Amino acid sequence: NAGVMQNPRHLVRRRGQEARLRCSPMKGHSHVYWYRQLPEEGLKFMVYLQKENIIDESGMPKERFSAEFPKEGPSILRIQQVVRGDSAAYFCASSPRTGGYEQYFGPGTRLTVT
Amino acid sequence: GESVGLHLPTLSVQEGDNSIINCAYSNSASDYFIWYKQESGKGPQFIIDIRSNMDKRQGQRVTVLLNKTVKHLSLQIAATQPGDSAVYFCAENMAGFQKLVFGTGTRLLVSP
Repeated sequence: NAGVMQNPRHLVRRRGQEARLRCSPMKGHSHVYWYRQLPEEGLKFMVYLQKENIIDESGMPKERFSAEFPKEGPSILRIQQVVRGDSAAYFCASSPRTGGYEQYFGPGTRLTVT
Repeated sequence: GESVGLHLPTLSVQEGDNSIINCAYSNSASDYFIWYKQESGKGPQFIIDIRSNMDKRQGQRVTVLLNKTVKHLSLQIAATQPGDSAVYFCAENMAGFQKLVFGTGTRLLVSP
């Protein structure tokens, strides 16, 4: 049973470009969470999605950030017009159950904005 | 705001010792807690979880203790090995909020 998969693992973007981060949950998991981590810090919740629905986006910046989890395919975290402050590791977690419990993380995407 | 914190940022132990990593939380409504291990350049790895209706849970070489009276969580690692060297995070979930709140982490260094 493959774990949570994320790609790309490393992404370099110039200021103003768009970044697309992908996450494929574990088989059988229909709940996806995105978190952001700055160096030497804990993870910060961004958004929680189920198939075709955003359940909680209270941690998402109001502008430039969006997320989706379509019926088919991976979950996508999209950052438009990236700025240097967006540089971080972005982690996706999946869970077989609702409620935020039992989350398993992927290897992350490290975004560097130059 | 964040409600989970750790007492010690770095813990250094010798191989074979038992390690105890502590975590304080401030939200008495939290009903679920998880410990994760994160190695450099990798994602958090699930270690063990515990619900608020329990005060102790054991896994392989690890034990989590929950003291709701003082809002304290600890992770005990028996016979610590060099491969246990990593940053350890506690995280909490509050019923109805559907997300984990992470602490800042404790770095465990194991010397051979």
